[in-house]
Amino acid sequence: AQSVTQLGSHVSVSEGALVLLRCNYSSSVPPYLFWYVQYPNQGLQLLLKYTSAATLVKGINGFEAEFKKSETSFHLTKPSAHMSDAAEYFCAVSDPNNNDMRFGAGTRLTVKP
Amino acid sequence: ETGVTQTPRHLVMGMTNKKSLKCEQHLGHNAMYWYKQSAKKPLELMFVYNFKEQTENNSVPSRFSPECPNSSHLFLHLHTLQPEDSALYLCASSQAGTGSTDTQYFGPGTRLTVL
Repeated sequence: AQSVTQLGSHVSVSEGALVLLRCNYSSSVPPYLFWYVQYPNQGLQLLLKYTSAATLVKGINGFEAEFKKSETSFHLTKPSAHMSDAAEYFCAVSDPNNNDMRFGAGTRLTVKP
Repeated sequence: ETGVTQTPRHLVMGMTNKKSLKCEQHLGHNAMYWYKQSAKKPLELMFVYNFKEQTENNSVPSRFSPECPNSSHLFLHLHTLQPEDSALYLCASSQAGTGSTDTQYFGPGTRLTVL
C-alpha cells in the first residue's frame, strides 16, 4: 500500500520568499503523485501531478515539484510567495492500477506581509 | 470549482437523526468518491463508484450508506452517527473509472457536526 508523509504541519514564509513544502512517499509500485491546494471553505484543487513523464512538473500559480526517486520525495516549491498562496496543501500518492489515492495530513502555509 | 456541488454546506444533527448528503457533478465524469476530512488527520477515502457501481469501501461503518443512482449524483445517507463522525465530507469526481492519472475534482464539502 502507498502512503505519503508531509513534513511540517505548518509553514510560514514572508511575501516574496521561497516556498518549500515537503512530501515523501512510500509505494510498492511506480507511483503517481499529486499536489492539491485547499482554500478556506473550499474543496481541493489540483496544483500539479506527476505521472512518470518529466520529473520536474510545473503546475498552476507558479508552483512546481520535482520527483526524486532516490529520495522518495516530491517537494513543492514556488520561487516567490504571494499573500494569495496562503492555504492548506496536500500531497497525494496513487497506485496507477486502481483508484486508491492516499493523501498526506496537509501543510498549512501562512504568508506574512 | 463549480463543476462539483454539494448540499448542504453545513449540517448539524443529533445521534438519532437520519440525514443525507448530496453531491452532483456537471463534468460528465464516470467515477465519484466520498472522502472524510477530519482536523489534523489525512484525508480518508470512504467510497468509490465507477459507472454507478461501488468499487471500493474502505472499512466504513454501516452507519454511512452511499447511493449512486446515476453517474452525476452521489448520496451519503447518515444514521445513528457518533460525535467522532463530525468532519468535513468531500465529494469528488474523475473522468475514468480506473487508472489514477485522472484528476479528481472536488466539491466544497459539507461540514457535519454530530451532537
